[in-house]
Formats: sequence, structure tokens, C-alpha cells
Amino acid sequence: NAGVTQTPKFQVLKTGQSMTLQCAQDMNHEYMSWYRQDPGMGLRLIHYSVGAGITDQGEVPNGYNVSRSTTEDFPLRLLSAAPSQTSVYFCASSYGLAGSETQYFGPGTRLLVL
Amino acid sequence: AQSVAQPEDQVNVAEGNPLTVKCTYSVSGNPYLFWYVQYPNRGLQFLLKYITGDNLVKGSYGFEAEFNKSQTSFHLKKPSALVSDSALYFCAVRPAGGDGGATNKLIFGTGTLLAVQP
Repeated sequence: NAGVTQTPKFQVLKTGQSMTLQCAQDMNHEYMSWYRQDPGMGLRLIHYSVGAGITDQGEVPNGYNVSRSTTEDFPLRLLSAAPSQTSVYFCASSYGLAGSETQYFGPGTRLLVL
Repeated sequence: AQSVAQPEDQVNVAEGNPLTVKCTYSVSGNPYLFWYVQYPNRGLQFLLKYITGDNLVKGSYGFEAEFNKSQTSFHLKKPSALVSDSALYFCAVRPAGGDGGATNKLIFGTGTLLAVQP
């Protein structure tokens, strides 16, 4: 199994540009999440999904959209990039509720917004 | 507010010595507690978790953690540190939902950088 994969590994955007961060998992996990990691702030939950067709907001959802059309994929869309969105983004999946089950993390996407 | 705190930004320890990485939490209800490790330029990896039962939880790579309800702590420990243990360690706690049931959210601490000197 490849586990959780993320693309791209690194991206530079200009303010106002849009892009999609891709996330896929091959473990048939129902639950998937997107986090951003910023220095001194740990990981903060952006959006999460409890199954195909079901998504919900996390702690810092503004400026991001998600969809979950399949169990495997959970893309994160930046609608109009801002410098405040410069961060490292991690996708994670788990078999059960993330609050109860082990989460498996992807390798991350480093995003720089100029 | 429900939260988790890692009071030390960095912990330095000599190889072969015991190590402790501290974590305290503040949640209502019964906490689910986790430790994750992040090696440079990698995603987080699960180390161990406490859901219920024995207060001493054993995890991967020789790590263990002790749940202390009275002190609301879940410190990570290892009897003998290795240079390869050098990494960023995150404590995480599950907050109770509005109905007190399980939620799909974890609150992560800010992380503690463990540096093991040879």
C-alpha cells in the first residue's frame, strides 16, 4: 500500500492565484482530514470528511474548499491564495473517528504564497 | 476551552539517558490522548495512544507514556534515548463533542523538539 500520498510536494503561488492540493489514500479509510502546520502553532484542522459526499469545517476553514467524491480522494482548494496561507499542509486519514483512531499522515505539501 | 499544552519547545538529552517530553491537557469528559512524531521533511507518525485501561501505555520504538488523571498529564518517556530519536514530538487530545460523544477532531500541541546528543 502507498498509504497517504500528496501532490505537489512544493508549490509557489502569487497572491490571488488558485490551486488544488491533491490527497489520496489506498487504505479504504472513511475519515480524511486536512491540517496546516505553522511554526509555534502545531497542527490546525482545516476541513475534514467522514465519508464520500460528507465534509465539514475544522478550526481554520476560511479561504479553503474541499470535496469528497470518492473514498480515496480528498482535494483541498485554495480559492484566492494569500500570503497568510503560506504553510505546510498535511492530509491524514483514519479508519474510524480521528479522535479515537490512529491517523495516517501524508508527506506534506509546502506552499509559499508571494 | 479545551486545549493541550507542551510546555517545552525543546528538550536536550544525552544518548543513553532517559528522556521525558511533557504534555498536559484540558478537556471535559474522558480524554483520548495521542503522541505523534515528525522526522524532518516527513509527515507525522503515530507513536501511541491512551483510550482507557492501564495508565501506562507502551508504543513504538520503545516509547511509553503515563496517563495521570489527577495532574491532567500524558508525558512521553523512554528509558534510554537514541540519537535517531531526535525529532519533533506532538501531543494530541480529542475534545468532547457537544453531546459528550466522540468527535472527528484532534487538538494538537505546539510540538517539542527532542535533540539527543551523541
